[in-house]
Amino acid sequence: GAGVSQSPSNKVTEKGKDVELRCDPISGHTALYWYRQSLGQGLEFLIYFQGNSAPDKSGLPSDRFSAERTGGSVSTLTIQRTQQEDSAVYLCASSQSGGSHTGYEQYFGPGTRLTVT
Amino acid sequence: GENVEQHPSTLSVQEGDSAVIKCTYSDSASNYFPWYKQELGKRPQLIIDIRSNVGEKKDQRIAVTLNKTAKHFSLHITETQPEDSAVYFCAASRGGGGNKLTFGTGTQLKVEL
Repeated sequence: GAGVSQSPSNKVTEKGKDVELRCDPISGHTALYWYRQSLGQGLEFLIYFQGNSAPDKSGLPSDRFSAERTGGSVSTLTIQRTQQEDSAVYLCASSQSGGSHTGYEQYFGPGTRLTVT
Repeated sequence: GENVEQHPSTLSVQEGDSAVIKCTYSDSASNYFPWYKQELGKRPQLIIDIRSNVGEKKDQRIAVTLNKTAKHFSLHITETQPEDSAVYFCAASRGGGGNKLTFGTGTQLKVEL
């Protein structure tokens, strides 16, 4: 079946502009995660959704970052007033959820490469 | 919070040799340890994972071992091939739906002919 998809694949924006990144999780996956990967670095957790709720937003770097999820499916990550340090690859992942024996595996999308000039 | 350290940062082996990548974690409540392979410009791909109720898991040429007492786990790749060349990331979480992954900083593996 279809995997996690993200759009756009690349985004170049000017400093100070707002951007929206989109994630389509695997159908039926109730858990959705956003991570950020800076050049040559590991992946840094940003936010987690269970359904449409976000019980863990602890990784969002500042109040310029926000995310929402609608219909238990598509999620958008919004960065307001972008800064150069926001340049990174933003990755989305999804997993099944429900109980102690499921929901472990996270499957990643291809990411959105954001460049702030 | 959880902290995951990964070594080495780069690893070069000859084709056919074995490769070992090691990670340590700090949170004793972590019970799920996946390994991801990321080729240049591609998404991370889950290659193997282990849960805390087992000490070792194998899948063809790949194996992962876990020592919960020492809080470390390792990825073993045998009979390496050029297509194994990639960046490998370890991660840890408390498992189950809703538990974020904390990643190591990655190991660039190069398999030379």
